[in-house]
Amino acid sequence: DGGITQSPKYLFRKEGQNVTLSCEQNLNHDAMYWYRQDPGQGLRLIYYSQIVNDFQKGDIAEGYSVSREKKESFPLTVTSAQKNPTAFYLCASEGRMEAFFGQGTRLTVV
Amino acid sequence: SQQGEEDPQALSIQEGENATMNCSYKTSINNLQWYRQNSGRGLVHLILIRSNEREKHSGRLRVTLDTSKKSSSLLITASRAADTASYFCATRRSYIPTFGRGTSLIVHP
Repeated sequence: DGGITQSPKYLFRKEGQNVTLSCEQNLNHDAMYWYRQDPGQGLRLIYYSQIVNDFQKGDIAEGYSVSREKKESFPLTVTSAQKNPTAFYLCASEGRMEAFFGQGTRLTVV
Repeated sequence: SQQGEEDPQALSIQEGENATMNCSYKTSINNLQWYRQNSGRGLVHLILIRSNEREKHSGRLRVTLDTSKKSSSLLITASRAADTASYFCATRRSYIPTFGRGTSLIVHP
């Protein structure tokens, strides 16, 4: 089954910790995206990658980092510099004008 | 910054009624897409309409596009409780999919 998988579904972060959200796709898509979703604010773009070994900052990149060493994988690290990380994080890949989304990771600071 | 904005923010209807939600956008587009999001899940693509199309149908969905007004509408006919979800329009900003805040639709059985 082709698709995009995010893990974990729920993640808890302590103050000062870095955490990494996983995003894997087997759709052979070049473009991948990370969005953050907060209530009432829609989807905001964190980082995107149009091709392996290249990525660009989105609208709210501060406090986040990514890598794109493989076509299939686009992990997102939420660093301790991100002061308000509690949110729902969505990863997407895109082919032929249609974006495919993972099921999301809900990150909570404890 | 969001390219498209949906209206209304929330919509509550009875099963069997039609649901209409609107999207306004700011810059010229090649196409516009609608997505659905069930609570706590990822978005799912519903339909794409190209800039040279005025109307498109898919099952109980009907999408219109008015490029002169920079607006689109999504109509769900004969709604069902299972249609309860948030609906987003998506356009592009520098080739990147950009989403509005969405319309939250509740269909009461």
